[in-house]
Amino acid sequence: EDQVTQSPEALRLQEGESSSLNCSYTVSGLRGLFWYRQDPGKGPEFLFTLYSAGEEKEKERLKATLTKKESFLHITAPKPEDSATYLCAVQPNAGNNRKLIWGLGTSLAVNP
Amino acid sequence: DGGITQSPKYLFRKEGQNVTLSCEQNLNHDAMYWYRQDPGQGLRLIYYSQIVNDFQKGDIAEGYSVSREKKESFPLTVTSAQKNPTAFYLCASREQPATGELFFGEGSRLTVL
Repeated sequence: EDQVTQSPEALRLQEGESSSLNCSYTVSGLRGLFWYRQDPGKGPEFLFTLYSAGEEKEKERLKATLTKKESFLHITAPKPEDSATYLCAVQPNAGNNRKLIWGLGTSLAVNP
Repeated sequence: DGGITQSPKYLFRKEGQNVTLSCEQNLNHDAMYWYRQDPGQGLRLIYYSQIVNDFQKGDIAEGYSVSREKKESFPLTVTSAQKNPTAFYLCASREQPATGELFFGEGSRLTVL
C-alpha cells in the first residue's frame, strides 16, 4: 500500500539551531515528491518538487533532498518566522496517479 | 495576481442544512481538487476534476457533491447526509491532472452548530 510517513510529529528549535525533517515513502514508482508549508488557518504553500533520487533544491534557509526511500527538509539557522507545519506529499507513478498521498506533517516551532 | 479564491472563509451551519463552498481560480488550470483537513488526519481528497464537465470521487466523497460547469469554478456542496461536516476545507488546482504542484486556496472553515 502506498504510504507517506513524516517525522518527527513536532519539533521545537531555538533560533539558529539547524535541523532536518523527514518524509519516508512507500510507493510503486515515484512520479514526484512535494514539500509544502502551512501556517495555522491557511492553505498550504508550495515549497519544492523533487523527481528523482539525488535531486536537491534550495530556497533561503530550506533545502530539500531525495533518496529512493525518503526525503529530508533541512532547515539551516531557522528564524521564528519559519514556524509552521511542513507537509510532504507523493505522487505515485502507477495506478490512479492523479491523486497525491499526503503525510500528516511536522509541526515546527522556532523560539527566539 | 493569479490564484485561488475560496469563500466564505468561515461558515456556520445548522444540522440538516446544505451549504456550498465556493472555489474560483484564474490560473487557467485544468485540474481542480477539494480536500478536507482534520487535526491529526492529514489531507483527505473529497472530489477532483480533470476537465470541465467531468469530476471524480475521491476517498471521502459521501455526503458531498460538486460541479464543474466552468474551467475556473469548482464549488463544493456539503449536504445534510455528511455526518461530521465540521472541518477545514481546502480547494486546490494544478495545470495538468497528473503532473506538477498543487496550488491551494486559503481554506474555508465550516462549523456545524
